[in-house]
Amino acid sequence: EDKVVQSPLSLVVHEGDTVTLNCSYEVTNFRSLLWYKQEKKAPTFLFMLTSSGIEKKSGRLSSILDKKELFSILNITATQTGDSAVYLCAVDQRDDKIIFGKGTRLHILP
Amino acid sequence: GAVVSQHPSRVICKSGTSVKIECRSLDFQATTMFWYRQFPKQSLMLMATSNEGSKATYEQGVEKDKFLINHASLTLSTLTVTSAHPEDSSFYICSARRGLTTGELFFGEGSRLTVL
Repeated sequence: EDKVVQSPLSLVVHEGDTVTLNCSYEVTNFRSLLWYKQEKKAPTFLFMLTSSGIEKKSGRLSSILDKKELFSILNITATQTGDSAVYLCAVDQRDDKIIFGKGTRLHILP
Repeated sequence: GAVVSQHPSRVICKSGTSVKIECRSLDFQATTMFWYRQFPKQSLMLMATSNEGSKATYEQGVEKDKFLINHASLTLSTLTVTSAHPEDSSFYICSARRGLTTGELFFGEGSRLTVL
C-alpha cells in the first residue's frame, strides 16, 4: 500500500531554534515530492522536489530529497512565530494521484 | 505564483439540499484538478481526480453519486454535494495541476460546508 509518513506529528520549539521535519514514503510510480504549509485555510506551496541531492531553498526554509532512501527533510532555521503551522508532505505519482502525509504540527513559542 | 480560486468559502445549507462548489484556475490551464476533504486536525483526504472533458476518478469509499464532479473546461471544476447530510459537513479543498506532467499543484482557499 502506498504511504507517506511524516515525523514528528507535532513539535514545539522556541523562536530562533532550527527545526527539521521528516517525510518518508513508499509509493509506486514516484514523480515528485511536495511540501506545503497549512495555516488556517488551504495549503500553500513550498517546494517541489524531483531529483535526489539537490537542495531547494527559499529564505529560511530548505528541503532536500533522497530517492535512494525514500525520504525528504524540510529545514527551517531561525524560526519565527509566523512559522507556526501544519507542514504537509505529499508524493505525486505518475498516474496523477497525490498522497499526503498526516502533517507535522509546528508551534513556535515566542 | 499561480492562483486557484474556490467559491464559496463558506456555505450553510439544510439537510437534503445540494451544494455546488467551484474551483477555478485563474492564470493557467489545468488539465487535472483534485478534490480533497479535510476533517479537523487531519490531513487532506483525496476524494477524486478530475480531468477536463472526461469522467472523474473517485477514490475508494467516495460515493460518486453523492459527490458529483464536473470538469467542463481547462479552468473550471465543480463539486456538487447532493442531498447533503450533517455528516457531509467538512472542509473541502480543490487543487489544480499547472502543466501536463510535472506541473506544480496549487490549492484553492477551501470551502467550509455546514449542513444543518
